[in-house]
Amino acid sequence: EIVMTQSPATLSMSPGERATLSCRASQSVGSNLAWYQQKPGQAPRLLIHGASTRATGIPARFSGSGSGTEFTLIISSLQSEDFAVYYCQRYHNWYTFGQGTKLEIK
Amino acid sequence: EVYLLESGGGLVQPGGSLRLSCAASGFTSSNYAMSWVRQAPGKGLEWLSTISGTGGSTYYADSVRGRSTISRDNSKNTLYLQINSLRAGDTAVYFCARASSTYWFDLFDYWGQGTLVTVSS
Repeated sequence: EIVMTQSPATLSMSPGERATLSCRASQSVGSNLAWYQQKPGQAPRLLIHGASTRATGIPARFSGSGSGTEFTLIISSLQSEDFAVYYCQRYHNWYTFGQGTKLEIK
Repeated sequence: EVYLLESGGGLVQPGGSLRLSCAASGFTSSNYAMSWVRQAPGKGLEWLSTISGTGGSTYYADSVRGRSTISRDNSKNTLYLQINSLRAGDTAVYFCARASSTYWFDLFDYWGQGTLVTVSS
């Protein structure tokens, strides 16, 4: 079973700063990695798929990179609406979510 | 526009059963695999089960395998999840999600808003 580990668990940042979120897979998942954003009381929203492709309507300040076992989500300049919980997910042969990173206002 | 609406949640006693529904609109449901994902209070996302577009293939996480059944009625554009032998650890918001293609383990491009299941006596 592939385990997805996200770090840090909580990230305290200020608006305008650059946020870097990490996701590590216990075995290679190729580029079959998605990132989702979830705000309180809402369903998750797809941000990134294929490790680096932004989903439709996702602002350019969100970017994803990586392949194999190491992945990164970067938010280049945090806006107030970006403070949320972010999950990585490996897909294609099975589904596994990371435990999430809470991005909070400092 | 794609829209997913879950229903069927509520309060159920330990050992009881529940059938959740997910009504889909805005797309041809048989062209897409569908899944159920849950989220316990204050916790992360947990994938539970997936069904292919035709309904011919089903997959389950260990946490629900053997006590749950995923199914779909494409004529009604509706997805279902039957869960039996419910326990306190099943308390969660249950989301349905659409895979982005017919492939049953493709990424989730649309999610419903979820339905809350509370297991308590």
